[in-house]
Amino acid sequence: GNSVTQMEGPVTLSEEAFLTINCTYTATGYPSLFWYVQYPGEGLQLLLKATKADDKGSNKGFEATYRKETTSFHLEKGSVQVSDSAVYFCALVQAGTALIFGKGTTLSVSS
Amino acid sequence: DAGVIQSPRHEVTEMGQEVTLRCKPISGHNSLFWYRQTMMRGLELLIYFNNNVPIDDSGMPEDRFSAKMPNASFSTLKIQPSEPRDSAVYFCASSIGTSGNTIYFGEGSWLTVV
Repeated sequence: GNSVTQMEGPVTLSEEAFLTINCTYTATGYPSLFWYVQYPGEGLQLLLKATKADDKGSNKGFEATYRKETTSFHLEKGSVQVSDSAVYFCALVQAGTALIFGKGTTLSVSS
Repeated sequence: DAGVIQSPRHEVTEMGQEVTLRCKPISGHNSLFWYRQTMMRGLELLIYFNNNVPIDDSGMPEDRFSAKMPNASFSTLKIQPSEPRDSAVYFCASSIGTSGNTIYFGEGSWLTVV
């Protein structure tokens, strides 16, 4: 069945450091891929998405590229801020199914 | 738009009691999802509806859990009887279909069963 694997956290960085959170997936066919972010005490918010191979999703300085050949959708940001501290979830969906999430990666950024 | 609205936001109940969680999806969305989040298991899909019809309920833990969607603007998730292991955050989410469109989440119902 479909699944998402993301790197385990927590990831601890200093402000302005470069961020990468790895995400790989297993799916039949061509899923759409998402990154959601969850701030403490809140629900999940869509951060970015990509619906086909080689698409790049971007938002708030975060980027991820849909790589079909490596079945990956790694999240990157060139310079993190304290306000980026949150839990990040990689997810996929295929037509007729619900979102399947990875376990989540906690990011902690210190000033 | 008001977004996905869930109630209650927080609930503390005693083991054995019935718990009902409520959800109002975004107007115009025809897919609705219930997820459960725990530290141990992360985000698990419990059930999802399309056009008010349950499509996949394979994630519902056991018979103590039931979900209904009587109309396009309302859904409930009921636990009867509740147990301490049901303590979790329950999220409702909605979308327009399930073909890559964004799924919007409510702020969750934080359930504690003591």
